Amino acid sequence: QVQLVQSGAEVKEPGASVKVSCKASGYAFATYSIHWVRQAPGQRLEWMGWINTGNGNTKYSQKFQGRVTTTRDTSASTAYMELSSLRSEDTAVYYCARDSGTLPIWGQGTLVTVSS
Amino acid sequence: EIVMTQSPATLSVSPGDRATLSCRAGQSISNSLAWYQQKPGQAPRLLIYGASTRATGIPARFSGSGSGTEFTLTISSLQSEDFAVYYCQQYNNWITFGGGTKVEIK
Repeated sequence: QVQLVQSGAEVKEPGASVKVSCKASGYAFATYSIHWVRQAPGQRLEWMGWINTGNGNTKYSQKFQGRVTTTRDTSASTAYMELSSLRSEDTAVYYCARDSGTLPIWGQGTLVTVSS
Repeated sequence: EIVMTQSPATLSVSPGDRATLSCRAGQSISNSLAWYQQKPGQAPRLLIYGASTRATGIPARFSGSGSGTEFTLTISSLQSEDFAVYYCQQYNNWITFGGGTKVEIK
């Protein structure tokens, strides 16, 4: 079946970077773009950015511009999101989601904790 | 960025009652509006897209309406599994989410 499986939880120190992976299965990876969405504890869902898995084009929320990078490896059917210069406010669950106009398919989420 | 505003923040409803949730867009988004349900520890689940079309497998008690800037999600008869947080999302200009409405047991 169609699914997105994300990498495991991470604990990072302030100032570090984190890279989360999202492996797709059950469909042609390069046919659908991938969005990245995060949710801080008790907070709303927050869109971070997008990658066209076919040609590698990207688009980022202004809030994260300069700190976030999305990439993909089509041979591995995997998308990646890297967030740099981490601060405590970046503690959140990070989700990848498949783009079909809306977001019908989501990964299970990856908890990133930023703490010294 | 298109701002999405949901109301109320919390809705207390008895099982079997109707729940009406509202979502307002900061500018017209035509019908590019989706609703999601999220339960604790889970990823969001798509309920409605195109403002009024139920996603695959979503029960008929969920319905959506609206266009332009005003949208509504109605749950006709709340079941125990419907108590959750609901988010609206616009996809007319990239993506933004509303702040969510928590539907709790009265």
